[in-house]
Amino acid sequence: NAGVTQTPKFQVLKTGQSMTLQCAQDMNHEYMSWYRQDPGMGLRLIHYSVGAGITDQGEVPNGYNVSRSTTEDFPLRLLSAAPSQTSVYFCASSRSRGVEYNEQFFGPGTRLTVL
Amino acid sequence: AQSVAQPEDQVNVAEGNPLTVKCTYSVSGNPYLFWYVQYPNRGLQFLLKYITGDNLVKGSYGFEAEFNKSQTSFHLKKPSALVSDSALYFCAVRVNTDKLIFGTGTRLQVFP
Repeated sequence: NAGVTQTPKFQVLKTGQSMTLQCAQDMNHEYMSWYRQDPGMGLRLIHYSVGAGITDQGEVPNGYNVSRSTTEDFPLRLLSAAPSQTSVYFCASSRSRGVEYNEQFFGPGTRLTVL
Repeated sequence: AQSVAQPEDQVNVAEGNPLTVKCTYSVSGNPYLFWYVQYPNRGLQFLLKYITGDNLVKGSYGFEAEFNKSQTSFHLKKPSALVSDSALYFCAVRVNTDKLIFGTGTRLQVFP
């Protein structure tokens, strides 16, 4: 199993550009989520999904869109990038909802810089 | 509101010495607490969790954590540190069935 994969590893955007961060998992996990990691702030939840066709907002959803058309994929879209979105983005998955019972598996991250 | 705090940005320890990484929490109801580790240029990895039961929880790589309800703490410990333990450690608390809140992280540096 490849686990949780994320592409690209690095990305530089100009303000106003759009892009999609890709996330895929091959473990047939129902639950997937996106976090951003910023110095001194830990990880903050952006959006999550408890199954195909179901998504919901986390702590910091503004400026980001998600969709979940398949169990495997959970892309994160930035419609109009802003410098405040410069961060490291992590995708995670777990077998099902219930964070207290299901270990989350994290991808290697995407480092995004918005100029 | 649920929250978690890691009061130390960095912890330095000599190899072979015991280590402690501190975490305190604030929750309404029963706490569900977690420790994750992040090695350089990698995603987070689960170490251990406390749901209920024994206050001393054992996890991966020889780590353990002590739940203390009266002090609202969940400190991560290891009896003998290794250089390879050097990493960023995150404490987390369950907000609801779908959400965790992570602390700001503590960088552990183990010196040979």
